[in-house]
Amino acid sequence: GAVVSQHPSRVICKSGTSVKIECRSLDFQATTMFWYRQFPKQSLMLMATSNEGSKATYEQGVEKDKFLINHASLTLSTLTVTSAHPEDSSFYICSAQGPSTDTQYFGPGTRLTVL
Amino acid sequence: AQSVAQPEDQVNVAEGNPLTVKCTYSVSGNPYLFWYVQYPNRGLQFLLKYITGDNLVKGSYGFEAEFNKSQTSFHLKKPSALVSDSALYFCAVRPWGGSTLGRLYFGRGTQLTVWP
Repeated sequence: GAVVSQHPSRVICKSGTSVKIECRSLDFQATTMFWYRQFPKQSLMLMATSNEGSKATYEQGVEKDKFLINHASLTLSTLTVTSAHPEDSSFYICSAQGPSTDTQYFGPGTRLTVL
Repeated sequence: AQSVAQPEDQVNVAEGNPLTVKCTYSVSGNPYLFWYVQYPNRGLQFLLKYITGDNLVKGSYGFEAEFNKSQTSFHLKKPSALVSDSALYFCAVRPWGGSTLGRLYFGRGTQLTVWP
């Protein structure tokens, strides 16, 4: 149990385009989902926290108009990187947490490369 | 402020030997403590957690960790390392209650290498 998927696993896009990343909890209802960014050989940086049906809460320094987060259902959250630039290239990881658990379960990550 | 320290960037151990990956934390209130493992280009896999109760918790793949409140530590251990244990290990803490409910604070990670 507690499986989280992410799609796509890898994406390459041109500068200026938008990219959408999906995060799904496959076997539990995720009342809260988290989006992280990870640079090579570094720890995870929390970008935002989203609760189902509510607006996401962004961490300081994260542009909410650039990184659009939608948590429309209890099993799906999406992160859209708008007008992507090369500096947005990174490994993006989501995690999900259900109402009756104190553990975050992580997706496999999405490698974004912006050319 | 909440923080997690993993003092070693790298831990090297021979296969079959015991391993320890260190973690100390600073958090207000009672913490929830977690260990995750990350293989290259993959997300994090949950290993074990401490919420309350017995200070020694056992997790996946033969790993265990001991909560030490006086030393604010939560070191990860395994009696006999395997080459397949080689990966990046993250300690994380979740403060109990308050406005940060649910949020994890991560250490910077420790790269474990087990030599055959």
